[in-house]
Amino acid sequence: EIVLTQSPGTLSLSPGERATLSCRASQGIRNTYLAWYQQKPGQAPRLLIHGASSRATGIPDRFSGGGSGTDFTLTISRLEPEDFAVYYCQQYDNSPLTFGGGTKVEIK
Amino acid sequence: QEQLQESGPGLVKPSETLSLTCTVSGGSIRNFCWSWIRQPPGKGLEWVGYICDSESTNYNPSLKSRVTISVDTSKNQFSLRLNSVTAADTAVYYCARRRSMMSSFDPWGQGTLVTVSS
Repeated sequence: EIVLTQSPGTLSLSPGERATLSCRASQGIRNTYLAWYQQKPGQAPRLLIHGASSRATGIPDRFSGGGSGTDFTLTISRLEPEDFAVYYCQQYDNSPLTFGGGTKVEIK
Repeated sequence: QEQLQESGPGLVKPSETLSLTCTVSGGSIRNFCWSWIRQPPGKGLEWVGYICDSESTNYNPSLKSRVTISVDTSKNQFSLRLNSVTAADTAVYYCARRRSMMSSFDPWGQGTLVTVSS
C-alpha cells in the first residue's frame, strides 16, 4: 500500500499570500498518477489537479501541481478568500487507492 | 457532466448491513468506473471500492470481506452493501466517478451521513 504523507498539517496564511503544500509517497508513483482535491466544510471534495500537474475543468490557474516519483506539491499562487479549505492528495497508481491525511489552509 | 446523488438509511444498527445507492444523472453509467469513498466525522478520506464496466470490482483490503458494489444499468444506479457494521463504519459516504481504472475521482456526490448505533 502506498502511504501518502502531507505536510504541513495546517498552514496559516493571509489572503494574497502563496501557499505550498507537500505530499510525499512511501514509494514511487508511476506515470504521475496523483490528484489533489479541495474540501470545504460540509461539502464533498472537488478535483483540482490530476496527473500531478493538469488542472481539472474550471479550476483557476492560480492552482498548480508539480512533482514526480515520491514528492509532489500543490501551489496556490495568491490565496483568495474562497481557497481556505482542506486539501488532500490521492494516488491512483496502485491498489488500494489511498489519500493523504490532508493539509488545512486557514486564515492567519 | 454527470451529477451523482447518494441515498439510503442514515441510521444502521450494529451487526446489520449498510446499503446505499448512487443515482447518476446527465449521462450513462456504462463504460466508466464508479466508486465509493467514506469519511468518518472530522477525519480523512478512505477509498472503499469501485466497479468498472458494470462488472469488474476492486475493494479496499481493509473492508474486502464485507463489501459488495454492484451496478443496475436499467436504473442508472450503482450500490454499496457493507455487512456486519460497527461504530467504526460511521461516516459520510460519497459516490464518485472515475473515467477509467487509472484516473482520479470526478465528479463526486454530495455525500450522505450513515451512523451506526443501536
